[in-house]
Amino acid sequence: KNQVEQSPQSLIILEGKNCTLQCNYTVSPFSNLRWYKQDTGRGPVSLTIMTFSENTKSNGRYTATLDADTKQSSLHITASQLSDSASYICVVSAGGYNKLIFGAGTRLAVHP
Amino acid sequence: DGGITQSPKYLFRKEGQNVTLSCEQNLNHDAMYWYRQDPGQGLRLIYYSQIVNDFQKGDIAEGYSVSREKKESFPLTVTSAQKNPTAFYLCASSIPETGSEQFFGPGTRLTVL
Repeated sequence: KNQVEQSPQSLIILEGKNCTLQCNYTVSPFSNLRWYKQDTGRGPVSLTIMTFSENTKSNGRYTATLDADTKQSSLHITASQLSDSASYICVVSAGGYNKLIFGAGTRLAVHP
Repeated sequence: DGGITQSPKYLFRKEGQNVTLSCEQNLNHDAMYWYRQDPGQGLRLIYYSQIVNDFQKGDIAEGYSVSREKKESFPLTVTSAQKNPTAFYLCASSIPETGSEQFFGPGTRLTVL
């Protein structure tokens, strides 16, 4: 069964600190892996998209890594800001434009 | 929210009523999607459409219906047959190619009273 699991479920950090969110997947066939940011009550917004051959991709203070052998990905947030408070969703494309498997997300709260 | 609008933002429905959620995009995308989001769960695909006048059931289509009469519009009707319709509904669009990015609308929160 195709699955995407994220950890932790929720996380609280202080402003200015770094954090890392984890994503493990069992999806076949694998096309790409995406990280989305979703503010409360809003639609998800894409942060990064990585294909099988990419190990890392950055978008400002966000850096995603992918280990296709262990089927793990991480999202590292550097120097967190209050505006980083959101849910972060890991999504794996299982081949085909309409075959997306969504993780349940990690809810991040950045406190001053 | 990148060129996709959803309305209304909040919707309240009495049991036994059908309601229609609107989704419009100006990104010139052929493919459009409807997802349902429940607390603690990943998004689940309700319906998707690859092209005008064509649509396919997703993983949880029971109790829902859609139409795609125009490229820009993909309305979702939540029927009285949907047993637990209270959820956050998200519309998305993309080019219909493997690996293409999906762009999401701002969502509609439906509550059944």
